Parts: sequence; C-alpha cells; structure tokens
Amino acid sequence: SQQGEEDPQALSIQEGENATMNCSYKTSINNLQWYRQNSGRGLVHLILIRSNEREKHSGRLRVTLDTSKKSSSLLITASRAADTASYFCAPGSGGSNYKLTFGKGTLLTVNP
Amino acid sequence: NAGVMQNPRHLVRRRGQEARLRCSPMKGHSHVYWYRQLPEEGLKFMVYLQKENIIDESGMPKERFSAEFPKEGPSILRIQQVVRGDSAAYFCASSGAGRDQPQHFGDGTRLSIL
Repeated sequence: SQQGEEDPQALSIQEGENATMNCSYKTSINNLQWYRQNSGRGLVHLILIRSNEREKHSGRLRVTLDTSKKSSSLLITASRAADTASYFCAPGSGGSNYKLTFGKGTLLTVNP
Repeated sequence: NAGVMQNPRHLVRRRGQEARLRCSPMKGHSHVYWYRQLPEEGLKFMVYLQKENIIDESGMPKERFSAEFPKEGPSILRIQQVVRGDSAAYFCASSGAGRDQPQHFGDGTRLSIL
C-alpha cells in the first residue's frame, strides 16, 4: 500500500463550523480509509470508501473520492470540541491493501 | 463488546533487555497487525498475522524483532536486546476476514528504553 498525504497539517475552527481535510495519493487504489486519533490513543476507523464510489456519508461525516485527481476529502459538519483529534487517510492498493501506511495527518482543533 | 486490548500500556526497559508486547484482538477477529509509531511520525506497518501464521512481515526489522499469534492466547510482539531507537508507540489492530474489512486499533504500548 502507499502513504496518503493529508492537507492541511493543522486546522483550527470554532464549534459549529465545518471542517474539511484533504488527502492525496500517487497510484491507483482499491479503497481509501479515514481514521481519527486522539492524543495518546489508538486510531479509530471512521469510514472506508471503495474506488468505484464517489461519496459516502456516516453521521456528520462526508467523504468524497476523485480517482481521476487521486484525492479524497473528509468533511465534518457542525463540528464539536470532541472532534479535536488528528485525522489520517490510508489508501489501499494492490494485493496488500491491509498494509496501511499513515502520514502525519491533519491536526484538527475545534475551539468551544 | 471489548475492542482490541493491548498490554501493558507503558513499558520501560533498559538497553539489552527484552520487551514483550501483548495484543488480544476483537472477538471474532482472526487477523492481527502490528504498527510502530516513532515520535513525530505516522504509524508504519510491521507485520500481519493470522492464527499460527505470519502472512507478511515485510515491515519488521530483520533482527531482534519477532511476532507470533498462537492458536490460543494473544498475539505477542517480542523485541530482544532493546536499544534506545526502539522507543516508540506500538499499536496492534485486528480485522475480520474478507475484502475491505476495516482494521480496529488498540490504544498502544508506549515503550521507553533507558
């Protein structure tokens, strides 16, 4: 598998605002996953989008995938202070898409 | 329904000692993965195991590191003769069988080498 690159590196918003994070990757994928990590904790799986899907929703999360641009975005609507965390994308490709590789992530801070 | 359990949460070892990290997967999961997170870096894949089998150990250092997932009991990541550079957070994840199964992570073991 390959490493995704998250952008921006850090994002600070007020509670109630929307947060958008982006992920770019280099080669074709089977799927792409988004994870969240709170400080000192393990990663929490948020959502998986397959290469033949363009958009997926889960609660306040919306993920889009544009395979032509090799990019994905994660939108968190109506953010809460509890959404403060680092967010990572993990593109899955080839026969070893279990081999997740994580970049430095986007550090999201939601201010009350 | 318990998640992935790792213990200990923190482990301190002196150089040259052995470190043993344990991981109990989620109930019903037969696939286990180990990752290492060095300070200021993202998680890096180390090894993928199924019960009694190592499927992919391409991310494991060639020496001093080994992993197992026995038929009974937790998965073990073993580091022999630890060095300062082994200081990191080690995360275990598990998944079910089948395509596109998400990996569920434990809270990690923070290993510190004195």
